[in-house]
Amino acid sequence: EVQLVESGGGLVQPGGSLRLSCSASGFTFSSYWMSWVRQAPGKGLECVANIKPDGSEKYYVDSVKGRFTISRDNAKNSLYLQMISLRAEDTAFYYCARQVVGATDYWGQGTLVTVSS
Amino acid sequence: DIQMTQSPSSVSASVGDRVTITCRASQGINNWLAWYQQKPGKAPKLLISAASSLQTGLPSRFSGSGSGTDFTLTISSLQPEDCATYHCQQANSFPWTFGQGTKVEIK
Repeated sequence: EVQLVESGGGLVQPGGSLRLSCSASGFTFSSYWMSWVRQAPGKGLECVANIKPDGSEKYYVDSVKGRFTISRDNAKNSLYLQMISLRAEDTAFYYCARQVVGATDYWGQGTLVTVSS
Repeated sequence: DIQMTQSPSSVSASVGDRVTITCRASQGINNWLAWYQQKPGKAPKLLISAASSLQTGLPSRFSGSGSGTDFTLTISSLQPEDCATYHCQQANSFPWTFGQGTKVEIK
């Protein structure tokens, strides 16, 4: 059974940093593109970052470029999102998700990041 | 980035009704369009990939169509358990982008 479990969310002040982790199991993690998708409370979905299976290619939405870094450790079946210079508008549930050709087929349960003073 | 425009933003229909949701891309995306169902407090669930491929085990009342820039999700006979928000997503080019969502309610 595919499982994606996020951790690391919490309350952080504007300008602060946070590192999200996602532990993957039930599939060959090193074979899949992975992504982080966020959803502000009551709002739509936004894919913030994607990473190739070997980590050699990474893509970011414009609003997080230069502030967020996606990475992975295939030996640990883990995905990460390092976030710096956090802003109030980064407040959202952050989902770890597995990509297949043309879709996102498995999602974690999400971890809440709140940026507030 | 490719912009995805979904309509309507919400729809209220009776059990058994046919419900249609549309999604328009700001540029051609071939058939790289996915649909997701999201219930309150839950993660999205993949319904349809490649515009029209229904995921295994899901009810056949859900169907998708379209190519290029215009796509449709149809629920042929609305059931109470279909109350949810539906999202489209283009997977043609990074960053993958979503529509703003359509909330489906029972009248």
